[in-house]
Amino acid sequence: LAKTTQPISMDSYEGQEVNITCSHNNIATNDYITWYQQFPSQGPRFIIQGYKTKVTNEVASLFIPADRKSSTLSLPRVSLSDTAVYYCLVGDIRVGGATNKLIFGTGTLLAVQP
Amino acid sequence: GAVVSQHPSWVICKSGTSVKIECRSLDFQATTMFWYRQFPKQSLMLMATSNEGSKATYEQGVEKDKFLINHASLTLSTLTVTSAHPEDSSFYICSARQAGSYEQYFGPGTRLTVT
Repeated sequence: LAKTTQPISMDSYEGQEVNITCSHNNIATNDYITWYQQFPSQGPRFIIQGYKTKVTNEVASLFIPADRKSSTLSLPRVSLSDTAVYYCLVGDIRVGGATNKLIFGTGTLLAVQP
Repeated sequence: GAVVSQHPSWVICKSGTSVKIECRSLDFQATTMFWYRQFPKQSLMLMATSNEGSKATYEQGVEKDKFLINHASLTLSTLTVTSAHPEDSSFYICSARQAGSYEQYFGPGTRLTVT
């Protein structure tokens, strides 16, 4: 399983764009990159997933360079309610894939201030 | 859609007793369920993977005789912490995945406190 490295914490202010970068130098060909959000005493919530280039949904964008050794989660115009821990996970989560399970790293605690 | 529930949401038990935590997929059939444990200010640690109708696969270092996992139906998996001790106090989270899908849906978690 590809190990991921993220900043332990980040600070931001309301209305700013936040970019959280994750390093995964040993990512394998069949690995996908998935980001989850977790609030205290709650289960993780899926944010976004991608394989390469750029993926965008209603809450975030995910940028993946050509070498796929890193990825950046971009949260546009954060609010106080975006204060949470954000996890980057890498693995072959295709049906029947080699990983078939999610291994969580340390995550990034994003603190949004007014 | 894709809701996973856990029961109870919190439980307090005495040392030496056993406690069962249920994980249910409410609107889909979960062929695979996962159990995680999370200590304060730490990340989620995968404990085991269970497939409906078969024995669970435990991660290294997780005692299968202490953490009994049963996945008897496509909508229910249970985790029983046997002979609980204070060090078993933690936040237990389950997740579920349906056949043919790669996405995991997480439950809200169960806070276990052993006194």
